[in-house]
Amino acid sequence: SQQGEEDPQALSIQEGENATMNCSYKTSINNLQWYRQNSGRGLVHLILIRSNEREKHSGRLRVTLDTSKKSSSLLITASRAADTASYFCATGEPTGGGNKLTFGTGTQLKVEL
Amino acid sequence: ETGVTQSPTHLIKTRGQQVTLRCSSQSGHNTVSWYQQALGQGPQFIFQYYREEENGRGNFPPRFSGLQFPNYSSELNVNALELDDSALYLCASSLALGDSEKLFFGSGTQLSVL
Repeated sequence: SQQGEEDPQALSIQEGENATMNCSYKTSINNLQWYRQNSGRGLVHLILIRSNEREKHSGRLRVTLDTSKKSSSLLITASRAADTASYFCATGEPTGGGNKLTFGTGTQLKVEL
Repeated sequence: ETGVTQSPTHLIKTRGQQVTLRCSSQSGHNTVSWYQQALGQGPQFIFQYYREEENGRGNFPPRFSGLQFPNYSSELNVNALELDDSALYLCASSLALGDSEKLFFGSGTQLSVL
């Protein structure tokens, strides 16, 4: 079953604009990760935020985590056409589950020239 | 490029057949996980192997089985294929068995069951 729900399901913006995607989850987590997937192929890790962190930056990416609301957001600033992809949040559980991740349903981002 | 390779890239089988999918982990990674991704959905965890032993399994029936070899390459076997097994199968390796490890994914095997 899917742990997370991404919102919106699809997002279309113009190049140069910012893109914000939200993720909600249901149970306690150890960490939350964001992955990107191009055209239904392999996923690429973008950023990991631990449950005791509130915000993290990596290049044009900014991730926030609110464990009280069980939600996270991914902000991509100054978007480019090459950012067009599906974005997934994934949660790791604090129950010794090793590297098991539970993925959300994804947000399809389209960046138009 | 993540260094994780999967074969084959595409496969067509008929219902009731058996299939074996293969994965070569990134160098130095001793943990491998397999995920199933149905069209329009996020990946779902099948199972994970650490040092050749299964270490965690998702909600998949026993006809989904796996192996990890001493060189940390891995196989996913599915018996008695059903139509609903049609999906993208993703292999992911990680550096260690930890609670905050990022995964390195292969490009996947697209399985179609007719």
